[in-house]
Amino acid sequence: QKEVEQNSGPLSVPEGAIASLNCTYSDRGSQSFFWYRQYSGKSPELIMFIYSNGDKEDGRFTAQLNKASQYVSLLIRDSQPSDSATYLCAVIKAGNMLTFGGGTRLMVKP
Amino acid sequence: GAVVSQHPSWVICKSGTSVKIECRSLDFQATTMFWYRQFPKQSLMLMATSNEGSKATYEQGVEKDKFLINHASLTLSTLTVTSAHPEDSSFYICSALTSGGADEQFFGPGTRLTVL
Repeated sequence: QKEVEQNSGPLSVPEGAIASLNCTYSDRGSQSFFWYRQYSGKSPELIMFIYSNGDKEDGRFTAQLNKASQYVSLLIRDSQPSDSATYLCAVIKAGNMLTFGGGTRLMVKP
Repeated sequence: GAVVSQHPSWVICKSGTSVKIECRSLDFQATTMFWYRQFPKQSLMLMATSNEGSKATYEQGVEKDKFLINHASLTLSTLTVTSAHPEDSSFYICSALTSGGADEQFFGPGTRLTVL
C-alpha cells in the first residue's frame, strides 16, 4: 500500500463547476497535510495545508480532513481553465519530510 | 512566500560527465533542504535531506556516491550528479525549510537534466 494515494485522473470538469480531489494516507499518526498544484514542467506550489479535522477554506479552495477515515480532500469552487494542473497531496513525516501522492490531473474545460 | 532559486534551470550533458545543481534560499536561512526527483508523469520522489553542516540523509535506493549533496551554508545546498547516464535524466527540484522549523516547504523552480 502506498503511503499517500490519489486517483491519477484526469478529472474533467466544466468551467464554473466544483472540482473535488481526493487523497488517502496510510499512516494514522500523520498530522499535517498539504495540497500542491503543479503545472507541467514547473515545480509544485503550495495551495493549502490543514492540520485539524474538518474544513479549511481559502478563497475558492476548501481542504477537508477526516483523520478517522484517513482521508483528505480539496474542493475547488468556480473552477477556471487556469486551474487545470496536477494536484499533489502530501503528508509530513518525521523530520519535516514530505511524502507525495501520485497526483491527480485536473482539466477544466471552457 | 519565501523564494528559493535553482541553477541551472536546465542542462544537457554527455553521458559520463558530472553536473552540479545549486539550490539557494534567497530571503531566509534554511537549516534543512530537500532534494526531489520527478520523472515524466510521476510524482516527486524524495532523494535526500540536506542539513547545514552535516552529512545528507539519503532515501532508500538513492546512491549517495552518485548523488553528492553539500549544504555548506544556511542558504546554499548543491546536488552533484556524478558520471551521469541517460537514466538520470529527470526534473530535479529542491525545497527549503525555514530555520524556524515551519511545516511549509518552499520549492525551487526545478532543474531539467537531460543526459545524452
